[in-house]
Amino acid sequence: AQTVTQSQPEMSVQEAETVTLSCTYDTSESNYYLFWYKQPPSRQMILVIRQEAYKQQNATENRFSVNFQKAAKSFSLKISDSQLGDTAMYFCAFWGEAYSGGGADGLTFGKGTHLIIQP
Amino acid sequence: DAGVTQSPTHLIKTRGQQVTLRCSPKSGHDTVSWYQQALGQGPQFIFQYYEEEERQRGNFPDRFSGHQFPNYSSELNVNALLLGDSALYLCASSSGGLYSGANVLTFGAGSRLTVL
Repeated sequence: AQTVTQSQPEMSVQEAETVTLSCTYDTSESNYYLFWYKQPPSRQMILVIRQEAYKQQNATENRFSVNFQKAAKSFSLKISDSQLGDTAMYFCAFWGEAYSGGGADGLTFGKGTHLIIQP
Repeated sequence: DAGVTQSPTHLIKTRGQQVTLRCSPKSGHDTVSWYQQALGQGPQFIFQYYEEEERQRGNFPDRFSGHQFPNYSSELNVNALLLGDSALYLCASSSGGLYSGANVLTFGAGSRLTVL
């Protein structure tokens, strides 16, 4: 079974600053994907960024980038030039392709980090 | 283009009752997954439906059941409600058969269930 750990329950930064959210995971699988999802007060989960484990290059989406350290099983999210609209819960998630029995048990999520962007 | 829609948005039940939650997937999606998100926690995978059958299931008791209709919409049923079933129930849809990390999951805004 895989686990996802987010060690920062809450973070607060000033608008326009850069912030990094941490995530570590544990798995024995070799083929997997990692995700960062944003959940604003509206409750709808929105995909921020996705990383395929076999890709060496770190994924980037505009102001959002990841630092994927496969050997260390670490997957941190960096938000540059933070904006008030970035205030939300951020969840790190894992999906792995299980070899035995086929299929996978959906996404495995961490407990989340509440990010607050101060004006 | 409507995304994933869920109903009802909020509901209150008492212990022992049964509840049905509904989900309409995003247009063009044929696979529906359900997640339970307890307060202060990340979502947990309940099960996934594709071609009107339950294809994958997380670690949830048989009190949790579901259904997928020919139009790809889905229902989540929970019987004999417990206080611990209080949570936000999220529906997510995708296309291309059983979900894999290569697909894009689109989530709804959830149904908030309170069990008294």
